[in-house]
Amino acid sequence: EAQVTQNPRYLITVTGKKLTVTCSQNMNHEYMSWYRQDPGLGLRQIYYSMNVEVTDKGDVPEGYKVSRKEKRNFPLILESPSPNQTSLYFCASSLPGQGIYEQYFGPGTRLTVT
Amino acid sequence: GQNIDQPTEMTATEGAIVQINCTYQTSGFNGLFWYQQHAGEAPTFLSYNVLDGLEEKGRFSSFLSRSKGYSYLLLKELQMKDSASYLCAVSDNQGGKLIFGQGTELSVKP
Repeated sequence: EAQVTQNPRYLITVTGKKLTVTCSQNMNHEYMSWYRQDPGLGLRQIYYSMNVEVTDKGDVPEGYKVSRKEKRNFPLILESPSPNQTSLYFCASSLPGQGIYEQYFGPGTRLTVT
Repeated sequence: GQNIDQPTEMTATEGAIVQINCTYQTSGFNGLFWYQQHAGEAPTFLSYNVLDGLEEKGRFSSFLSRSKGYSYLLLKELQMKDSASYLCAVSDNQGGKLIFGQGTELSVKP
């Protein structure tokens, strides 16, 4: 089944404790992206990757890191999480060769930082 | 600056037609997208417009006017399952950056 998977789905952590949210897609998509969704603010792009080893900042990259060492995986790293990073996070990928077109979203990761 | 505006909430009746508007001001333009998001779920793709005009897909249609920075999503023969948030998003010239509006919460009532 074609899908985007994220792990973990739910995470409660404490300020300053490094964490990684994994994202994997099995559709051979070149484009992948991370978003956060907050009430009243909608979806905001954190980082995106047009292909392996190519990553760029979205609108809200501060406090986050990403890497794209292989096509299928695009992990999101929070080196020192803070309470303002409490949010719902979505990973997405897009059809190959078309930049952003129809994006397929993962199920989301709900992160709480205390 | 970059800005995408859509109404926060709309209510419509089952079987009716509803139009959700989206206006945008972005530094570049490489296409406009509409996504549907049910409560507690991930967004799912509805439509993509890059040229002016109307794109029709079943009960859903999307319109784009690049000169006016304006799009709308038209939903016909509304069903209860259409109750969801509808997200308008614009891709900038770089092709990789995607800017979303805050979403329009649509409630369909019997």
